[in-house]
Amino acid sequence: GAGVSQSPSNKVTEKGKDVELRCDPISGHTALYWYRQRLGQGLEFLIYFQGNSAPDKSGLPSDRFSAERTGESVSTLTIQRTQQEDSAVYLCASSTRSGNLQYFGAGTRLSVL
Amino acid sequence: ELKVEQNPLFLSMQEGKNYTIYCNYSTTSDRLYWYRQDPGKSLESLFVLLSNGAVKQEGRLMASLDTKARLSTLHITAAVHDLSATYFCAVLPLNNDMRFGAGTRLTVKP
Repeated sequence: GAGVSQSPSNKVTEKGKDVELRCDPISGHTALYWYRQRLGQGLEFLIYFQGNSAPDKSGLPSDRFSAERTGESVSTLTIQRTQQEDSAVYLCASSTRSGNLQYFGAGTRLSVL
Repeated sequence: ELKVEQNPLFLSMQEGKNYTIYCNYSTTSDRLYWYRQDPGKSLESLFVLLSNGAVKQEGRLMASLDTKARLSTLHITAAVHDLSATYFCAVLPLNNDMRFGAGTRLTVKP
């Protein structure tokens, strides 16, 4: 596709369940970012992938959060044992390399009941 | 820890007026970004500023960067209703931990 694709667009889950969010970056973009945006707030950095390098996980809020990316393709963000405070929009962005303009996906709106 | 502060957080303008949004940050960086977000939508990249003194313009918006003052500005000229949105600045430090400001919610009234 032409842009960054995220799925699902909406996810409603029960507290304690695991969820997996997917991000398909723009082809050829080596850098990929995950962010969290709570209602009415700014973006919170979660994790960054650059090519085949080990990801920078410093922004992950707890050990319930993990992310993977195979090469320069799709990335998944997994949240285990979801809590109500995990409810937010999760945004993915990609760029040709770190420092260049980031292109954002439409986001996944996660609601934990 | 890198802090990014935007002001004002809320801005109500009349059409045709000019105004400036300010973005201050607390650590050395020469990579500064401006984004626009419409309600319920994702972020749209507006500008990337990669060096001291950089100035970028697109339509009624102009962004500048002063890395010595650790300050970026987003200037709005002759505002129109279509510019109503939330504008975020973001700073990318060397460790790639992108930090966003809290956002400026702009409302342009006729």
